Amino acid sequence: QKEVEQNSGPLSVPEGAIASLNCTYSDRVSQSFFWYRQYSGKSPELIMSIYSNGDKEDGRFTAQLNKASQYVSLLIRDSQPSDSATYLCAVKVNYGGSQGNLIFGKGTKLSVKP
Amino acid sequence: GAVVSQHPSWVICKSGTSVKIECRSLDFQATTMFWYRQFPKQSLMLMATSNEGSKATYEQGVEKDKFLINHASLTLSTLTVTSAHPEDSSFYICSASRGSGGYTFGSGTRLTVV
Repeated sequence: QKEVEQNSGPLSVPEGAIASLNCTYSDRVSQSFFWYRQYSGKSPELIMSIYSNGDKEDGRFTAQLNKASQYVSLLIRDSQPSDSATYLCAVKVNYGGSQGNLIFGKGTKLSVKP
Repeated sequence: GAVVSQHPSWVICKSGTSVKIECRSLDFQATTMFWYRQFPKQSLMLMATSNEGSKATYEQGVEKDKFLINHASLTLSTLTVTSAHPEDSSFYICSASRGSGGYTFGSGTRLTVV
């Protein structure tokens, strides 16, 4: 059973602080990792994707991947109230050359207080 | 950028009736379409995967005769919830696979069965 685990939160941080979101996955053949942001009642929107070990930075967002530990994280610097949302970690596994589907964690609810 | 148009955005129907949800890729060919369902405070759960011109592959526990998926063209996939019941009330989201390995989500359909 492939699983993606996240702390459901809520995670509350003050405006301007760094928010740290964590995710672990169970399937060692997982190849691609994604962070999505979902506002209430809306569809997920892609924040970051990461495929190799290490850090990947995009603006205020940094994704970190450690395949040995089966761990992926998302750091949000200078958090803003508009960052308040549920953050979904998703893992993609390809089998036999097929276009793999995404397996989602339950999401971490982030609240950034002004 | 790649856009998937999903309609309707919300629908209320009577128990026992059928509802059709459409997802249309506007500027790319979606060879694979994924259909997800999301209950309140839960993550996205994959229901089925469909490839253009072939039968959909359903996840365990998803009734294929109840959730009819048609992917007749590279730009259109539909999900029909047949004989809907209140327990089918949920947020349904499609996701189209792009050849580059990325995914584009539709805006979601809020289904309420009364």
